[in-house]
Amino acid sequence: SQQGEEDPQALSIQEGENATMNCSYKTSINNLQWYRQNSGRGLVHLILIRSNEREKHSGRLRVTLDTSKKSSSLLITASRAADTASYFCATPQAYGNKLVFGAGTILRVKS
Amino acid sequence: DAGVIQSPRHEVTEMGQEVTLRCKPISGHNSLFWYRQTMMRGLELLIYFNNNVPIDDSGMPEDRFSAKMPNASFSTLKIQPSEPRDSAVYFCASSPPGEETQYFGPGTRLLVL
Repeated sequence: SQQGEEDPQALSIQEGENATMNCSYKTSINNLQWYRQNSGRGLVHLILIRSNEREKHSGRLRVTLDTSKKSSSLLITASRAADTASYFCATPQAYGNKLVFGAGTILRVKS
Repeated sequence: DAGVIQSPRHEVTEMGQEVTLRCKPISGHNSLFWYRQTMMRGLELLIYFNNNVPIDDSGMPEDRFSAKMPNASFSTLKIQPSEPRDSAVYFCASSPPGEETQYFGPGTRLLVL
């Protein structure tokens, strides 16, 4: 079964607006990662947040992590048409460096 | 710097045929992962290797699937015999030592008729 579940399944916004995607997971983790997948391409790593961090920024991306609620959010500010993609959260299994990916959020940014 | 390389990029075959997918990880990376992505099941981990040794193959669907990593720069995923339900995009990813981030290849889109 999937460890991470994203919400919403799909999101459509206008260029310039902010996009927020959420991820919930089930077990204790030491980090959580977000990846982006453009149509027909492989996944690209965006950001990793560790369990002792509450918030992390990278350019227009802001990720939060709430370990008490077992949830994370990805905020994309001032969205652009090029941000149109699927976004996945991924959490490690209890052993090794195996990741489990959620079902993803499909983001569409209209210009 | 080359990323993860996968070949072929597209494969169309008939049911019952053998299919071999190939992956060249990023140089210096010691973990390699094979995933399958479908609309119905999302992204599933099939198998992963660490230092060329298979660590976890619990995601391999059945005996028709096999994977090898004969050296640090090459891995194959074989399906024999192939079935229409194997149609999917297959991704290979690699990670450097001590890092949790995975670097994905462009994928192989497989269609089994």
